[in-house]
Amino acid sequence: TQLLEQSPQFLSIQEGENLTVYCNSSSVFSSLQWYRQEPGEGPVLLVTVVTGGEVKKLKRLTFQFGDARKDSSLHITAAQTGDTGLYLCAFDPGNTGKLIFGQGTTLQVKP
Amino acid sequence: ETGVTQSPTHLIKTRGQQVTLRCSSQSGHNTVSWYQQALGQGPQFIFQYYREEENGRGNFPPRFSGLQFPNYSSELNVNALELDDSALYLCASSPQHALNYGYTFGSGTRLTVV
Repeated sequence: TQLLEQSPQFLSIQEGENLTVYCNSSSVFSSLQWYRQEPGEGPVLLVTVVTGGEVKKLKRLTFQFGDARKDSSLHITAAQTGDTGLYLCAFDPGNTGKLIFGQGTTLQVKP
Repeated sequence: ETGVTQSPTHLIKTRGQQVTLRCSSQSGHNTVSWYQQALGQGPQFIFQYYREEENGRGNFPPRFSGLQFPNYSSELNVNALELDDSALYLCASSPQHALNYGYTFGSGTRLTVV
């Protein structure tokens, strides 16, 4: 059983479209992180969300933490081919750096 | 400031063999964590080293072992390789063993067991 369920598992869209990916759990988290991983590379941290209801923006990426701190979403506006990659959410149960990841959403943006 | 460096980048081993993977942590980082990532999945925590001691372990058998050296670099050793050990092995380093200090991942070692 996955502690973090990410959906969809795979998404293929055209450049310029908008999309949202989700990270859900039945557990409450003190914080959640989002990473992007490109083929042949390690994950790169995009953002950490801490407060319930928090919204953070990173250029065309908008991250939201659910009010109950059990779920999070990532919305990309006007996707570009450079957004292609594996998007992972993760949490750290004891704030000790031992991350638990979801299975990821593979995003393919076609030109 | 150099990032996290892993070697080798790719490796092919035969079932039953042993393998050693290496990680040089980012300058100033004393904590190293290792993860296994199967194809199409998220990384799974193997173990963490802090000041040369194992500081927590995930759900992996004892044939997965590690070391951290005084310069904070680290090794991951896997004995009696199985086909299911084929994966991308990622190393991540941090200045402290806490999430809020931020983790930097290396590009990984792709291990194929045949």
